[in-house]
Amino acid sequence: EVQLVESGGGLVKPGGSLRLSCAASGFTFSIAWMSWVRQAPGKGLEWVGHIKSKTDGGATDYAAPVTGRFTISRDDSKNTLYLQMDSLQTGDTGVYYCATEGLDKALSVWGLGTTVTVSS
Amino acid sequence: QSVLTQPPSVSGAPGQRVTISCTGSSSNIGAGYDVHWYQQFPGTAPKFLMYGNSKRPSGVPDRFSGSKSGTSASLAITGLQAEDEADYYCQSYDSRLSASVFGGGTKLTVL
Repeated sequence: EVQLVESGGGLVKPGGSLRLSCAASGFTFSIAWMSWVRQAPGKGLEWVGHIKSKTDGGATDYAAPVTGRFTISRDDSKNTLYLQMDSLQTGDTGVYYCATEGLDKALSVWGLGTTVTVSS
Repeated sequence: QSVLTQPPSVSGAPGQRVTISCTGSSSNIGAGYDVHWYQQFPGTAPKFLMYGNSKRPSGVPDRFSGSKSGTSASLAITGLQAEDEADYYCQSYDSRLSASVFGGGTKLTVL
């Protein structure tokens, strides 16, 4: 069964840092492109960024609001995706989902999400 | 304000047909990038509903269909059922932003 499980969410003060993890199973993680998507309370979905597979170069791209503050990485030996979030702002509060990304950018498999709350 | 524009809400009676529009621009849908759709129930993760403008993943009923024309796309649901009541999001890629983009979401109410 294809599965994604996020972890690492929690309460952090503005300006703080947090690292989210996404454990993958049931598919060949090393060749998968992976995305992070977030959802603020009561709001819509917002693409955060993605990372290509190492065989496709391993490049990352980010949405403008998080560029320079968030970093996406992967450890294919552990089948795990990461989202390092620095200089967190209250506007970063929400549920963070990881998802598999197809060549057409479709996000076909989603995790259950992990909640990040940025508050003093 | 989202790059892709969706109506905030639509509604229909059981058995009826409803459509949800997704309007973009020349840098996303109009540039030829595919549109994908997701269904989300309150408190749960989004579910993959439609890809490549009109293709249904395995398990999605054929009551759901998608189309794309010019700078817009649409999701149609026929034979509306109470269980279809959810939020629906469109997604595409924007070449100007070099990023995937979502619509603001549409809440479907089954009357």
